[in-house]
Amino acid sequence: GALVYQYPRRTICKSGTSMRMECQAVGFQATSVAWYRQSPQKTFELIALSTVNSAIKYEQNFTQEKFPISHPNLSFSSMTVLNAYLEDRGLYLCGATGAQDTQYFGPGTRLLVL
Amino acid sequence: QQQVRQSPQSLTVWEGETAILNCSYEDSTFDYFPWYWQFPRESPALLIAIRPVSNKKEDGRFTIFFNKREKKLSLHITDSQPGDSATYFCAASARTGANTGKLTFGHGTILRVHP
Repeated sequence: GALVYQYPRRTICKSGTSMRMECQAVGFQATSVAWYRQSPQKTFELIALSTVNSAIKYEQNFTQEKFPISHPNLSFSSMTVLNAYLEDRGLYLCGATGAQDTQYFGPGTRLLVL
Repeated sequence: QQQVRQSPQSLTVWEGETAILNCSYEDSTFDYFPWYWQFPRESPALLIAIRPVSNKKEDGRFTIFFNKREKKLSLHITDSQPGDSATYFCAASARTGANTGKLTFGHGTILRVHP
């Protein structure tokens, strides 16, 4: 079956430092990978959408300079949160879209910033 | 402007009752509507989804009713169980090339099922 792995599951970083998170699609080819952030008490904010053979599209309020993404192949994507601060804390979800537009989510990377 | 709206914000039903969760959307190009449920400290999981070619999609106790003209849909959970207690998110996307894979989420409905 289709699975999406994310690593790490939980991370704590000091304010002003950076951390990298990874997303791996297993059992299917992900035609696109979307990164979302779910902040406490909030719904999902789309950070960026990465489609194979297309440029990565960032949503308003999110930039490549802050959240650089690498999507080298159909099964792997990584995103870095640069200079993390308190407002960056939350659950970062990777959604990989396979056939028939079904989007599967990984378990998420929970970021805590001290 | 909130593209996908959900109501109510929270809902409490007794075990065995039918829970009805509502969703509406603005963008008429949306053509795929998945519902996700999320349990505390877990990531969302796909529950059921519908495309506008159908006005109803059923999977066990879960049924989506879809009204394209009014841009509304609802999730009905029959014979609700305490294990159904979770936050339910309605989402939408449009298969228009660049937007494929971009889901727009509602704010969620918190469902509590009392035994």
